[in-house]
Amino acid sequence: KQEVTQIPAALSVPEGENLVLNCSFTDSAIYNLQWFRQDPGKGLTSLLLIQSSQREQTSGRLNASLDKSSGRSTLYIAASQPGDSATYLCAVSHTGKLIFGQGTTLQVKP
Amino acid sequence: GAGVSQTPSNKVTEKGKYVELRCDPISGHTALYWYRQSLGQGPEFLIYFQGTGAADDSGLPNDRFFAVRPEGSVSTLKIQRTERGDSAVYLCASSLRPDGYEQFFGPGTRLTVL
Repeated sequence: KQEVTQIPAALSVPEGENLVLNCSFTDSAIYNLQWFRQDPGKGLTSLLLIQSSQREQTSGRLNASLDKSSGRSTLYIAASQPGDSATYLCAVSHTGKLIFGQGTTLQVKP
Repeated sequence: GAGVSQTPSNKVTEKGKYVELRCDPISGHTALYWYRQSLGQGPEFLIYFQGTGAADDSGLPNDRFFAVRPEGSVSTLKIQRTERGDSAVYLCASSLRPDGYEQFFGPGTRLTVL
């Protein structure tokens, strides 16, 4: 059974810091991995999608990597801003459906 | 273009009542997914449709939950005899195709069962 774990559960950093969020999964038979952002009381916004054949994807200040063999992905956020404060969720695509981690709640202090 | 929409945004009902939650996917997306998110947790898969048929309903918790997509576009999640434990945010997503395509999520329906 596919399980997804995110560490840490919560993170607080000062503005301007670079940071890394971690995601691990138990079954390497995935189609892709998606990182999402969720603001309080809102739906999910897709940030990055990495196909299983890819190693990384970049969008602006965000960079996501994927190491399928070790079952790990990282989301790197450069020069963090208070507007980055949200919950970040990773999810692996497994037989069509997404399996989610529990998320990392990020607070960026001005 | 329009994203995934869900109605209602909030639904409060009493224990034992029947509810319907609606999802309008992105136009042209053949795959549609339902997830449920409890407070402080990641979303959990319920069911997904490819076209009109349910391709995988393994996440439905019991037979009180049922979903349809009769014309391959709009979907309705139906919950009979609601229980307090059904309270959660119900999220809908769609993708161009299943199996590896990016999923786009709606804003969710917050269901509260009193």
